[in-house]
Amino acid sequence: QSALTQPASVSGSPGQSITISCTGINSDVGSYDLVSWYQQHPGKAPKLMIYEGSKRPSGVSNRFSGSKSGNTASLTISGLQAEDEADYYCCSYAGSSTSLFGGGTKLTVL
Amino acid sequence: QVQLQESGPGLVKPSETLSLTCTVSGGSFSSYYWSWIRQPPGKGLEWIGYIYYSGSTKYNPSLKSRVTISVDTSQNQFSLKLSSVTAADTAVYYCASLRYTSGWYYNYWGQGTLVTVSS
Repeated sequence: QSALTQPASVSGSPGQSITISCTGINSDVGSYDLVSWYQQHPGKAPKLMIYEGSKRPSGVSNRFSGSKSGNTASLTISGLQAEDEADYYCCSYAGSSTSLFGGGTKLTVL
Repeated sequence: QVQLQESGPGLVKPSETLSLTCTVSGGSFSSYYWSWIRQPPGKGLEWIGYIYYSGSTKYNPSLKSRVTISVDTSQNQFSLKLSSVTAADTAVYYCASLRYTSGWYYNYWGQGTLVTVSS
């Protein structure tokens, strides 16, 4: 299993929108609508932000949204805020009851 | 609301076995796959494996030969053993609940515990 592919870093100014991509292959991202996204601040545990590709858990801001096209899932954050600066990881069901994480993306709010 | 707490030694010698326990409070023990995930310093997340309350397990193929996950439902705990450790196993180890019905996602996480492999 190779990690899902994410850009190492993205950046944006407050108020702007950014999108983080997560690319897999046909046997994971492309085959299932089971991608989740996690936010991780330094020294903290990851926090679930999106599940089943586009659903938000209770309490997560509607500025966070998810989508998928083919083998690529995306996380979009609109109206960027300083508190959004963190690492973001995607995770996909990868068949045979296994999980596969992305390499992570560092978001910098300029 | 499910809460998870990892416990175990923070330092393990090379070639020895890493052992961690996760204590679960709140929620239904049968509603999740109880999982271990690790994160080497400065690197990304790696799925290690999970166990169901019945004792059935699933491991990451890359670690399968060295990993054992067990469960003690009477104590609401599950445990990780990783044998023959090397410096590459130095990481923050997280326990987490994997929701497998209506989706596939980790909704609750422990705070994580750093395990260093060093002599």
